[in-house]
Amino acid sequence: AQSVTQLDSQVPVFEEAPVELRCNYSSSVSVYLFWYVQYPNQGLQLLLKYLSGSTLVKGINGFEAEFNKSQTSFHLRKPSVHISDTAEYFCAVSLNTGTASKLTFGTGTRLQVTL
Amino acid sequence: NAGVTQTPKFRILKIGQSMTLQCAQDMNHNYMYWYRQDPGMGLKLIYYSVGAGITDKGEVPNGYNVSRSTTEDFPLRLELAAPSQTSVYFCASSWTGANYGYTFGSGTRLTVV
Repeated sequence: AQSVTQLDSQVPVFEEAPVELRCNYSSSVSVYLFWYVQYPNQGLQLLLKYLSGSTLVKGINGFEAEFNKSQTSFHLRKPSVHISDTAEYFCAVSLNTGTASKLTFGTGTRLQVTL
Repeated sequence: NAGVTQTPKFRILKIGQSMTLQCAQDMNHNYMYWYRQDPGMGLKLIYYSVGAGITDKGEVPNGYNVSRSTTEDFPLRLELAAPSQTSVYFCASSWTGANYGYTFGSGTRLTVV
């Protein structure tokens, strides 16, 4: 079975600073990888996904993530954060089986951006 | 388009009561899912469905039941509410699998007292 570990439960950062949210996965077969964002009192929205091809994936709101197979990681980065990026971020994995029916989520990282 | 609609948004139940959380999507998605979210625990899959008439258990199905009689609707039933079922419940849908990304509803916050 696949699993996801988000190493940081909270990440405080100042506005306009860069940020990296870490995600490691475990699976015996190839996987698809995702990052979702949850703003307060809302559902989750897809930020970006890696299915195949280029290991650097660009998403919405200036976020990007890099798939590193040797380190089984899929870290999320943004070069300059804004107050509006304050939210909880979830890394997720599904098996690369073609139908890939369901996602397994990490425990989330709360990004707190302050002035 | 409304996307994924969940009702109610909030509910307080007494121990032993029953209720149904409603979920409807208007995107003609085949796959639908129910997750629960607890603080610090991320999202855990309760049940999912790959099409009308087909459902399967997820990671934490005990205490819940589902049905999928139409493509649009995927209700979640709690038969005998327990305090351990206090959580935020999210319904999600997908076109033909997780690799297309999920569309989430806005959630139902349930408290069992």
